[in-house]
Order: sequence, then structure tokens, then C-alpha cells
Amino acid sequence: KQEVTQIPAALSVPEGENLVLNCSFTDSAIYNLQWFRQDPGKGLTSLLLIQSSQREQTSGRLNASLDKSSGRSTLYIAASQPGDSATYLCAVPQIYNQGGKLIFGQGTELSVKP
Amino acid sequence: ETGVTQSPTHLIKTRGQQVTLRCSSQSGHNTVSWYQQALGQGPQFIFQYYREEENGRGNFPPRFSGLQFPNYSSELNVNALELDDSALYLCASSFRQNTGELFFGEGSRLTVL
Repeated sequence: KQEVTQIPAALSVPEGENLVLNCSFTDSAIYNLQWFRQDPGKGLTSLLLIQSSQREQTSGRLNASLDKSSGRSTLYIAASQPGDSATYLCAVPQIYNQGGKLIFGQGTELSVKP
Repeated sequence: ETGVTQSPTHLIKTRGQQVTLRCSSQSGHNTVSWYQQALGQGPQFIFQYYREEENGRGNFPPRFSGLQFPNYSSELNVNALELDDSALYLCASSFRQNTGELFFGEGSRLTVL
């Protein structure tokens, strides 16, 4: 049974710092992995989707990597800003190539202090 | 292109009552998935609808039911509400033949008293 874990649960950094968020999954046979951002009380915003054949994806100051063999993905945020404060969630499909049915980690709550 | 929209945004019910939540999928998307997110937790998959039929279900009891309409919009119904049903209910849409990105609405916050 696939399980997704995110450590740490919370992270506080000063503005301008580069940081890495971690996501681990128990079954390496994943089709893709998606990173989301969630502001308090709001829905999820898709940040990056990495297909199983890819090693990394980049969008602006965000870079997500995927290492299936070790069951890990990281989300790198460069030059963090207070506006980056949110909860970051990673998710993988429950069934290999069936979209829409995701297993989520519990999220990392990020606070960027001015 | 319109995004995923959900209604109502907030609602309060009492134990034993029934609730209906609504979702309009993103333009061009034919699949709708529903998730429950308790405070401080990641979202949990409830079920998915494709071509007006349930296409997979998570570990939720039968009092959680849904519908999908010909225009791909969807409803989530919860009967006999319990206190533990208090949560943010999220709807997400995708294109069935594409196992790519999932797009979420802003959610419906349900409080059961």
C-alpha cells in the first residue's frame, strides 16, 4: 500500500534563504508526482508535475526533483519570500496510471519571516 | 478557460442532517474527484466520477454519495452527518485520458455541530 510522508511538518526560515522540502513514498512504481501549494483555508494550487521518466521540473524559483529508486522527491525554493508562506503538499496516484485518485502527504507548513 | 468552482464556500449543519456540495469542473475536463481534508491533514480521496458513473472510491462509508451530470459538473452528498465529517471538501477535475495534472477548487468548509 502506497504511503506518502513529508518531513518536517513545519519549517520557519528568514526571507531570502534557499530551502528544500522533502517528500517520501513507499512504492517506487509511481506514474508521476505532483507538488501543490495550499494557503490557509483555501484550495490546492498545482505547482509542478513530474512524470516518472523525468528527473526534475522547474518553474520560476521552484525546482522539483524525483528519485524513484530511493522513493524521494524534493521541492527546492530559491530566494524565499514572505509570499511563499503556505502549506506544501506532495501527492502520487493511488493506481499507477489512473489520474485523479491521489495519495497525499500531510504537508509541510512553511513560514518565511521578513 | 474557467477553473474549478465549488459551492457553497462555507456551511454549518447539525448531526444527523444531510448536505449537498456542488462542483463545476474546469472547461474541457470530463472527470471529477472529491477529497476530504481534515484540519492539519492531507486530503483523502473520497471518489471519482467519469461519464456520470463512479470510477473508484476511497475508504468512505456509503452515506457519502455523488453524482456527475452530462455537463461534467458534480455533487457530493453526505447523509446522517457526524461530527467527524467537519472538514474542507475539495473537488478536483482532470481529463480522463490524461494522467497529468489535477486542478482543484477552493473547497467547501463544512462544520457539523
